[in-house]
Amino acid sequence: AQKITQTQPGMFVQEKEAVTLDCTYDTSDQSYGLFWYKQPSSGEMIFLIYQGSYDEQNATEGRYSLNFQKARKSANLVISASQLGDSAMYFCAMREGRHGGSQGNLIFGKGTKLSVKP
Amino acid sequence: GAVVSQHPSRVICKSGTSVKIECRSLDFQATTMFWYRQFPKQSLMLMATSNEGSKATYEQGVEKDKFLINHASLTLSTLTVTSAHPEDSSFYICSARPVNYGYTFGSGTRLTVV
Repeated sequence: AQKITQTQPGMFVQEKEAVTLDCTYDTSDQSYGLFWYKQPSSGEMIFLIYQGSYDEQNATEGRYSLNFQKARKSANLVISASQLGDSAMYFCAMREGRHGGSQGNLIFGKGTKLSVKP
Repeated sequence: GAVVSQHPSRVICKSGTSVKIECRSLDFQATTMFWYRQFPKQSLMLMATSNEGSKATYEQGVEKDKFLINHASLTLSTLTVTSAHPEDSSFYICSARPVNYGYTFGSGTRLTVV
């Protein structure tokens, strides 16, 4: 079973508008971390935002915010005021456990390709 | 801070040859390094976890004799693709987790085997 599910293979958004990228996760751990990364065509992984499972408030980082709904196991990324440079692949990822389970690695979703239209 | 330098960024090699990819932590000590592979238009899949001074842990289905990992120091982990074949062509990216910091990634290596 998939641990991280991103149901939107591709999304379009008009420049200056907001967009929500969906992410649901599956874990039985009480302590876990959720991450969003941006991957432009160059391939680098750019960290955007982090939400800990015990964080009561939704994480925000500039134009990025994470809509964390723990009971529904969802961690959607909201990008406000989209810019042309936001066009990229976006990956949701999870670290299970306080230190990340047996190895501490991240588990990635399949990604959403965001295209910002001028 | 917390930078991982990965090189080469791009390599083309002939089928049957070996290619070494290096990941170096520049301003922290990385006792653990994660190696991922990403095929075009797909997600990052964990291949193996390298641990300084001990054997790497490979994910199911990843051939340890083909993808040799060496983590001989606290700042350097290498992945060697041995006897490369065209199906090994992929994007390889490493990641480390500095203490009190999130995950940091190398810039990736695009391997093309011809």
